[in-house]
Amino acid sequence: DAGVIQSPRHEVTEMGQEVTLRCKPISGHNSLFWYRQTMMRGLELLIYFNNNVPIDDSGMPEDRFSAKMPNASFSTLKIQPSEPRDSAVYFCASRATGTSEKLFFGSGTQLSVL
Amino acid sequence: SQQGEEDPQALSIQEGENATMNCSYKTSINNLQWYRQNSGRGLVHLILIRSNEREKHSGRLRVTLDTSKKSSSLLITASRAADTASYFCATDAGGNTPLVFGKGTRLSVIA
Repeated sequence: DAGVIQSPRHEVTEMGQEVTLRCKPISGHNSLFWYRQTMMRGLELLIYFNNNVPIDDSGMPEDRFSAKMPNASFSTLKIQPSEPRDSAVYFCASRATGTSEKLFFGSGTQLSVL
Repeated sequence: SQQGEEDPQALSIQEGENATMNCSYKTSINNLQWYRQNSGRGLVHLILIRSNEREKHSGRLRVTLDTSKKSSSLLITASRAADTASYFCATDAGGNTPLVFGKGTRLSVIA
């Protein structure tokens, strides 16, 4: 298995631009999580899905952030418009809820908003 | 919001020494997990301890859990330079709820 796949690996954009981060979870995993990591705030949960349904998006910082999971093998996190304070590493993680409590992380997307 | 809080924030030791990292949390848990993160990479699961367990071993790793004190510790014995990484505890309340991570301990093992 290739593990959780995220793209792009790095993203540099200018303030005001739209940014789309992508994630492919491990096949068979039914829960998907988006986390954001910064030095100041550590690893913060943004939103998670169970069986493609958003369960809790209370961690999404503002309306500028949105996430979708159109099917079991793909999710996107979109920021529109982006701001410099959005600069962080964004991680996607998945797990097979009900059979395992372990989370499997992707390699992350390093986002820099100038 | 952070549930687990690791202590110390940073730890520097010589190769061959043992490294101990602590984690405190606030609410009831189903299990507690430890993860490792190498620089520039995603987190990798190391070990899970359930709320009814007190100690667990995996290779050079030893984890303890004290639910009365709401604390856990991770011991890495005979450390190696390759153990240099950040280590995070994460609490799991059970059901389909997400893990909540602490801010981590940065471990440096000097050869």
